[in-house]
Amino acid sequence: EDQVTQSPEALRLQEGESSSLNCSYTVSGLRGLFWYRQDPGKGPEFLFTLYSAGEEKEKERLKATLTKKESFLHITAPKPEDSATYLCAVYRYNNNDMRFGAGTRLTVKP
Amino acid sequence: NAGVTQTPKFRVLKTGQSMTLLCAQDMNHEYMYWYRQDPGMGLRLIHYSVGEGTTAKGEVPDGYNVSRLKKQNFLLGLESAAPSQTSVYFCASNLAAGELFFGEGSRLTVL
Repeated sequence: EDQVTQSPEALRLQEGESSSLNCSYTVSGLRGLFWYRQDPGKGPEFLFTLYSAGEEKEKERLKATLTKKESFLHITAPKPEDSATYLCAVYRYNNNDMRFGAGTRLTVKP
Repeated sequence: NAGVTQTPKFRVLKTGQSMTLLCAQDMNHEYMYWYRQDPGMGLRLIHYSVGEGTTAKGEVPDGYNVSRLKKQNFLLGLESAAPSQTSVYFCASNLAAGELFFGEGSRLTVL
């Protein structure tokens, strides 16, 4: 059965303390892996799409990477405004739906 | 830019009552989705549509019905609400295999 697992469930960092969030997946026929950011009381907002192992994408303090089994979201020198829940999701061939992980709740303390 | 708009944003129902959530998108997207989000369980797909007049079941479809009479609208119905349907509901849309655009969510409480 296709699964998407994110770890850790929650992460607390000091401002400037870099870290990584993990998304491991077991799917048959990965079409794309997506990262979203969700602020409290809001809908998720798109961050990145990765399509093949070895691919990397960056946006400000965030960098997403992809292997054949997992994706990492690296956060470099985070700021309090990076506090949010980060969701990963997979899009599979022969499916029209996006399967989500449970998310990692990130808190960055000043 | 409105994007994806959900109504209502909040609703309280009694067990057994019925209601409809409305989702409207102005991006001319073919695909539309209804998800529910519960603590610790992430987003789970209820139903989706790949075009006007079409619907399909997702991961957790029981107790819900949907309709897509117009391309820009996707309705989610609860015929007889149960406490287990207390959740935050998100509508989303996209072009095929592209990133999802989400609405702000509809918070439903069933007493």
